[in-house]
Amino acid sequence: EIVLTQSPATLSLSPGERATLSCRASHNIYTYLAWYQQKPGQAPRLLIYDAFNRATGIPARFSGSGSGTDFTLTISSLEPEDFAVYYCQQRGDRPPVSFTFGPGTKVDVK
Amino acid sequence: QVQLVQSGAEEKKPGASVRVSCKASGYTFTAYYVHWVRQAPGQGLEWMGRIDPSSGGANYAQKFQGRVTMTKDTSISTAYMELSGLRSDDTAVYYCAKDSHTSSWFPDYWGQGTLLSVSS
Repeated sequence: EIVLTQSPATLSLSPGERATLSCRASHNIYTYLAWYQQKPGQAPRLLIYDAFNRATGIPARFSGSGSGTDFTLTISSLEPEDFAVYYCQQRGDRPPVSFTFGPGTKVDVK
Repeated sequence: QVQLVQSGAEEKKPGASVRVSCKASGYTFTAYYVHWVRQAPGQGLEWMGRIDPSSGGANYAQKFQGRVTMTKDTSISTAYMELSGLRSDDTAVYYCAKDSHTSSWFPDYWGQGTLLSVSS
């Protein structure tokens, strides 16, 4: 089973700063990785799929990179609405089918 | 526009079963998988499985094998998730979500969530 780890657990930054979030997979997942944003009381929102493709309507300040086992989500300049929890998710390319999530990174206001 | 509307909050006793529904609109229901994800209070997201509304075939996370059943009714564009043998640690918000070829089969639209409380 593929396990995802995210770091840091919490990232304290100010609006306008750059945020760099990490996701590491226990095995090679090529680019089969997505990033989600979740705010309190809301469903998750897809930001990035296949490691670096922005989902529909996602601002250009969000970018993803990486392949294999190491991935990064970058928010180039934090807007007030970007303070939230971010999760990575992998989809395995071989049986058994799994779409496991990482434990999340909380981006809060410094 | 795409919408996934879930059934309302549930309260169950340990050992009981629950069925949560997810009614889809705004797209072809049979074209994309419906995933189920849960989130315990203050915790992260946990993928439970997915169902192909066209064939009815489902893939379940190993943790839930034998306890979860995902079904569908294409006549009313609705997917269902049934969880049996409920325990207190099944208390969570349960989400349904659809995927898409345009998001490389990652869930792109989500329901509003259904709160399940399990307590004696």
